[in-house]
Order: sequence, then C-alpha cells, then structure tokens
Amino acid sequence: EVQLVESGGGLVQPGRSLKVSCTASGFGFSSYWMSWVRQAPGTGLQWVAHIKEDGSAKSYVDSVKGRFTISRDNAKNSMYLQMNSLTVEDTALYYCARRQGSGSSAYFDYWGQGVLVTVSS
Amino acid sequence: QSVLTQPPSVSGAPGQRVTISCTGSSSNIGASYDVNWYQQFPGTAPKLLIYVNRYRPSGVPDRFSGSKSGMSASLAITGLQAEDEAEYYCQSYDSSLSGSWVFGGGTKLTVL
Repeated sequence: EVQLVESGGGLVQPGRSLKVSCTASGFGFSSYWMSWVRQAPGTGLQWVAHIKEDGSAKSYVDSVKGRFTISRDNAKNSMYLQMNSLTVEDTALYYCARRQGSGSSAYFDYWGQGVLVTVSS
Repeated sequence: QSVLTQPPSVSGAPGQRVTISCTGSSSNIGASYDVNWYQQFPGTAPKLLIYVNRYRPSGVPDRFSGSKSGMSASLAITGLQAEDEAEYYCQSYDSSLSGSWVFGGGTKLTVL
C-alpha cells in the first residue's frame, strides 16, 4: 500500500525558516518524481515544487522561487521542503504527492495527509 | 484568482447527472495540455479521480467521467449518490511565465 507521511510542521514567525519532511513507503520511491502541493485554509490547491527521481531536476512555483528548496534522500525514502523567509501567505497545509506522467502531462496519484505550516507573529 | 475557472458550487438530487466545468485559456487547456480531476472530502487529502482527460484510476466508479474540448474540460457524475458530496478540483499545466502545474479554484458538489 502506498503511504506518504508528512512531518515537521508548526508555528513559525514571519521571516524565519522551517523544514518539512515526507516519508514514503509501499512503492519504489527512487523511481518517481515527487511533489509538494499546498492548500491555504479554506482555499484551493497550489502546486509548490517538483523533484526528479534522482534529484537532478527541480521546479518551483514563482511565488516560492529563491525561498524554498526541495530535496530528497532516496536511501531514506524521504523528500524535504526547506522553507526560508516565510511570510503569512505561506500559511497552508502542505501535502506530499507522488507525481505520475511526464512534464506537462503530470498529475498526482497519491497524497499524504498533509502537514500544517502556520506563519504568524 | 485561479488560472482554471470552476463554478463555486453545483448541486443535484440523488440519481441525477451533474457536470462540473473547468475553463482555461490558450496557455493551458487550450494549448492541448491534459486535464486531471481530484475529489476532496473535508479534512482529508485530495484523491485522484480522473487523469489525462478521461481515464479513471482503479477503484473509481464508472459513474465518474471526464472530457475535454477546446479551452474547457468537464467532469460528469451520473447516478449521483450522497457519498459524492465533496469538493472537486481540476488541474492542468500552464505554459505562461515560467510554466506551472495549476489547479482550478474548486467546486463544492451538494447532493440535495
């Protein structure tokens, strides 16, 4: 059974940093692109970042470029999102998702339960 | 403001057929990029419902179907059931700016 479990969320002040993690099981983690998708309270979904199977390629939504860094450790079946210079607009539930399809045809076939990141003073 | 436009809400009685539209532009659906659909119940993670315009993952009932034409896509649900009451999101790729995978704003389906 495919499982994605996020961790590391919490309350952080504006301008500070936070790193969230996603641990995968039940599938060959190193064979899949992985993604982060976020959902601000009471709103819709927003793709945040992708990372290639071996970590050699990464993409970000414009609003987080230069502030967020996606990474992975295939030996630990884990993916990470380092978030720096956080703003209140980054407050959201962050989902880890497995990506299927290539390039522009990508979609998200499995999702974790999400981890809450709250940015507030 | 989402790049893909969905109606905020739709409703239907049990047994009826409802459709949810997803309207894009020449930089996403109109550029022939594929559309995917997700179902989300309150307090839970989204679930893939339709991928690559019209394919259903294993376990998704055939009451759910997807289609795409021009700059729009649609999700149709036939034989509406109370358990279908949820939020539905479309998703595609947008080639404007630096490119991004984008979602619609979501549609709340109410079963009357």
